[in-house]
Amino acid sequence: DSGVTQTPKHLITATGQRVTLRCSPRSGDLSVYWYQQSLDQGLQFLIQYYNGEERAKGNILERFSAQQFPDLHSELNLSSLELGDSALYFCASSEHRSDTIYFGEGSWLTVV
Amino acid sequence: AQSVTQPDIHITVSEGASLELRCNYSYGATPYLFWYVQSPGQGLQLLLKYFSGDTLVQGIKGFEAEFKRSQSSFNLRKPSVHWSDAAEYFCAVGAPQAGTALIFGKGTTLSVSS
Repeated sequence: DSGVTQTPKHLITATGQRVTLRCSPRSGDLSVYWYQQSLDQGLQFLIQYYNGEERAKGNILERFSAQQFPDLHSELNLSSLELGDSALYFCASSEHRSDTIYFGEGSWLTVV
Repeated sequence: AQSVTQPDIHITVSEGASLELRCNYSYGATPYLFWYVQSPGQGLQLLLKYFSGDTLVQGIKGFEAEFKRSQSSFNLRKPSVHWSDAAEYFCAVGAPQAGTALIFGKGTTLSVSS
């Protein structure tokens, strides 16, 4: 158990819908990262937050957005969902000034 | 551009045999390198990391990796594989605290035969 908690673990939704994935980082970790894992693209970095502020942005679609709240938990919002958005979405966290990141178990999203 | 290449998509090793998983990277500065393992239906678990210093690093579960700057490689090794090592292994490079997120390879699936 890495200490990173993600909910929900599984989610099935229809095309065009919007979902929110939630992440609680390890206690005390200020940085949160979101990754998408799919069969064709592998593990893709989406976005990083540090203490509530966006720190780095990767291959995140405009239909996707994220935020980190004052209590340091983070949410990834996925809207206008398409079949191709079906993937495993990972949240990860790291301590202040640490380059070691710890992953949660992921949220499986299936778009039908 | 930063990138990670894991040349082997799938490897099968007999239980008790040695293992080496290859990883080559492209990175503009001194790389921070990582190996993660993902068991079916599980998240990514950190096996080991290299930031600086001794180029041979030890990790959990009996794994080690060697950083070779001249070859831009960071290969993962284990002297004797156990059936429980069957999983997918990912090599990654980056410096998250500097704003350079981890870039992952495509992964190598390890199967262990009895």
